[in-house]
Amino acid sequence: DIVMTQSPLSLPVTPGEPASISCRSSQSLLHPNGYSYLNWYLQRPGQSPQLLIYLASNRASGVPDRFSGSGSGTDLTLKISRVEAEDVGVYYCMQALQIPYTFGQGTKLEIK
Amino acid sequence: QVQLQESGPGLVKPSGTLSLICAVSGGSISSSNWWSWVRQPPRKGLEWIGEINHSGGTNYNPSLKSRVTISVDRSKNQFSLKLSSVTAADTAIYYCARMVVETAVTKGIDSWGQGTLVTVSS
Repeated sequence: DIVMTQSPLSLPVTPGEPASISCRSSQSLLHPNGYSYLNWYLQRPGQSPQLLIYLASNRASGVPDRFSGSGSGTDLTLKISRVEAEDVGVYYCMQALQIPYTFGQGTKLEIK
Repeated sequence: QVQLQESGPGLVKPSGTLSLICAVSGGSISSSNWWSWVRQPPRKGLEWIGEINHSGGTNYNPSLKSRVTISVDRSKNQFSLKLSSVTAADTAIYYCARMVVETAVTKGIDSWGQGTLVTVSS
């Protein structure tokens, strides 16, 4: 299985400040088609996960442009340019290159 | 906008079989997408269980493969999960979800059900 490792696991952020979450995979997520098969999700308290970023750097429909994804291969990053109160929750990366699909442990973002 | 809704018993006895159905609305299950099950033990992370396409092709997590069956019913626009020989470790919120596949490119799980808590206990 591809192991996904996120850091940090806890992320206290002041509103208006930027935030960054790292996701490292045990194998490259680069598909022969040129895409990195890495997705980012936010799970707000008491809710189902929602897709933020797909294929490493594409924002899902309706996702604010303060969210961005970057990186390729084994090192991927999610950035929030200016954190807002509604961004609180647990962020997960997930690889969809190889069965079984696997998730990172989750990063809990909280407001300072 | 596609919507997914899980249904099934919230309590299953140890050694029994967990059975859930996911009803899909607002879109056809007979599309190019794959239909997944993901679970989340209380206060823990996410685990992918498996997926099925409209023609019945399946992929399973090897850690659960011997106990899992996912099937599709195109006439009812729904798919289902069966997990046999359950133990307390199978207690979790179970989500059904849609994995988007467009022009042979997998674009992530874009739609999730609200989730249903299944507790394994006697």
